[in-house]
Amino acid sequence: QQQVKQSPQSLIVQKGGISIINCAYENTAFDYFPWYQQFPGKGPALLIAIRPDVSEKKEGRFTISFNKSAKQFSLHIMDSQPGDSATYFCAAQSSGAGSYQLTFGKGTKLSVIP
Amino acid sequence: DSGVTQTPKHLITATGQRVTLRCSPRSGDLSVYWYQQSLDQGLQFLIQYYNGEERAKGNILERFSAQQFPDLHSELNLSSLELGDSALYFCASSVVTGRSNYGYTFGSGTRLTVV
Repeated sequence: QQQVKQSPQSLIVQKGGISIINCAYENTAFDYFPWYQQFPGKGPALLIAIRPDVSEKKEGRFTISFNKSAKQFSLHIMDSQPGDSATYFCAAQSSGAGSYQLTFGKGTKLSVIP
Repeated sequence: DSGVTQTPKHLITATGQRVTLRCSPRSGDLSVYWYQQSLDQGLQFLIQYYNGEERAKGNILERFSAQQFPDLHSELNLSSLELGDSALYFCASSVVTGRSNYGYTFGSGTRLTVV
């Protein structure tokens, strides 16, 4: 059972446009929602994260929007650049069990074309 | 450089063999996680160690095992390898204080190819 569903699988955006990636979760015990960026041949790198007590978090061109009642969260990349071309993963974590393991979405491959 | 070191970077081995993947966590991180990344399954959690003790298990096969040593480095052992075990294996480490986790730092991974 996939606990974090991510869409779309791939995304092509023009330079300067807005990239939007969506995720939905089922487990209401999740209390930390990070986004990771992965370039080919590299490990995922933490991009931005949010906890469910806030509805939005912005860091530079990257914004997470969080809807607790709908159990959905999304990543917006403003003014998308070719250097943003990478695979993006949303994830969710429940700290209640003391494990802090992350459950990942299946990823979105973003291509930003000049 | 993320501070998490994984060796080797690439590994090619035959079916039925056994391999060991090594991970050195970022300085100060007590928690180590192992993930398997394949094209069709994405990033799958395998196992977590915290300060030498197993903390959580995910979808780890019985043919796989791991341990964390007193110097906090960790090893993932994969035995009786099958073609389907071919994947990227990532190690991540994190600082865990009380009920807070300050995010993972991933290594660059080991690409395992079973032929």
